[in-house]
Amino acid sequence: NAGVMQNPRHLVRRRGQEARLRCSPMKGHSHVYWYRQLPEEGLKFMVYLQKENIIDESGMPKERFSAEFPKEGPSILRIQQVVRGDSAAYFCASSPPTGYYEQYFGPGTRLTVT
Amino acid sequence: GDSVTQMEGPVTLSEEAFLTINCTYTATGYPSLFWYVQYPGEGLQLLLKATKADDKGSNKGFEATYRKETTSFHLEKGSVQVSDSAVYFCALVGGSYIPTFGRGTSLIVHP
Repeated sequence: NAGVMQNPRHLVRRRGQEARLRCSPMKGHSHVYWYRQLPEEGLKFMVYLQKENIIDESGMPKERFSAEFPKEGPSILRIQQVVRGDSAAYFCASSPPTGYYEQYFGPGTRLTVT
Repeated sequence: GDSVTQMEGPVTLSEEAFLTINCTYTATGYPSLFWYVQYPGEGLQLLLKATKADDKGSNKGFEATYRKETTSFHLEKGSVQVSDSAVYFCALVGGSYIPTFGRGTSLIVHP
């Protein structure tokens, strides 16, 4: 059973460009979470999605950030007009539809804004 | 709201030493509790979990007991190895189904 897949693993963008991060959850998992991690800091929750629904986006900045989890295909985290402060590691996690919501993490996408 | 407090690191130990990483939490109701481990350059991996009071989670020699009376979930290992060097995160999931993570504790094990 393949784990959570994220791509790209590393992404370099110039200020003002768009960054698009992809996440494919584990097979059978219908819940996807996105987190941001800055150096020497913990994980910051951004958004929780189920197929075609945003369940909770309380951790996501109101501007420039958006997320989706379409019926078919991976979940996408989109950052428009990136700024240097967006440089971080972005992790996706999935969890099964029932149970105790343990998280299975992908390897992360390391975004660098130059 | 829910919160998780972990001891600050880094924790530096010699190989075969005893490990304790403290974790306390604040939550309404009866959350599920988790420990995750992150190796350099990788995502977090679930290490162990406990879903109700007095449950003991264990995996790879690590243990943690869900203590409702002290709202704690301390991570322990009797004899650490160099390969255990990583960052350890305590987390809870309560009624909102949104996990709350601690800030992480870095463990460095010297040969």
